[in-house]
Amino acid sequence: EIVLTQSPGTLSLSPGERATLSCRASQSVSSSYLAWYQQKPGQAPRLLIYGASSRATGIPDRFSGSGSGTDFTLTISRLEPEDFAVYYCQQYGSSPQGLTFGGGTKVEIK
Amino acid sequence: EVQLVESGGGLVKPGGSLRLSCAASGFTFSSYSMNWVRQAPGKGLEWVSSISSSSSYIYYADSVKGRFTISRDNAKNSLYLQMNSLRAEDTAVYYCARGKLERRSYFDYWGQGTLVTVSS
Repeated sequence: EIVLTQSPGTLSLSPGERATLSCRASQSVSSSYLAWYQQKPGQAPRLLIYGASSRATGIPDRFSGSGSGTDFTLTISRLEPEDFAVYYCQQYGSSPQGLTFGGGTKVEIK
Repeated sequence: EVQLVESGGGLVKPGGSLRLSCAASGFTFSSYSMNWVRQAPGKGLEWVSSISSSSSYIYYADSVKGRFTISRDNAKNSLYLQMNSLRAEDTAVYYCARGKLERRSYFDYWGQGTLVTVSS
């Protein structure tokens, strides 16, 4: 099973600042099969990025994903008030029995 | 508009059973894989189970294998999760999620979740 480690655990930033979130895999993620989700309190997760760098439908272009192999990054270029939330990465490149999520990064208002 | 609506959650004693349902609408249900993902209170996301569009491929997390059974009824646009031998650690919000790919997939639409509490 591929273990995903997200860092930092919490990111304290102000609106307008740039956020850089990391997701590191214990083994190489094949075909860059990595996704990012946003979750706000009391809500279901929302897909942001798939295939490491493709934005999902309706996602603003301030969200971008990059990386390959074992190191992946989600960048929010300029934080809007509605972007303060928890972000999870997920790999889907290993065997189907082993879909895994990272532990999450909380982006909070400084 | 894609909609996924879970139901069937509730309070159950350890060792008990529960059946979750997910009603899908707004898309061709029979063309997509479907999944269950859970989230324990205050914790992160955990994938539970996946089923391919025609039920040919079914997968489970090790934590639920042998206790949970995923199934679907394409004629009724519905997904199910039969949960037996429930444990306290199964307490979580259970989300139904659509898979974009047939086998190993990310999840492009999610329901609002149904809470399962396992406690005596």
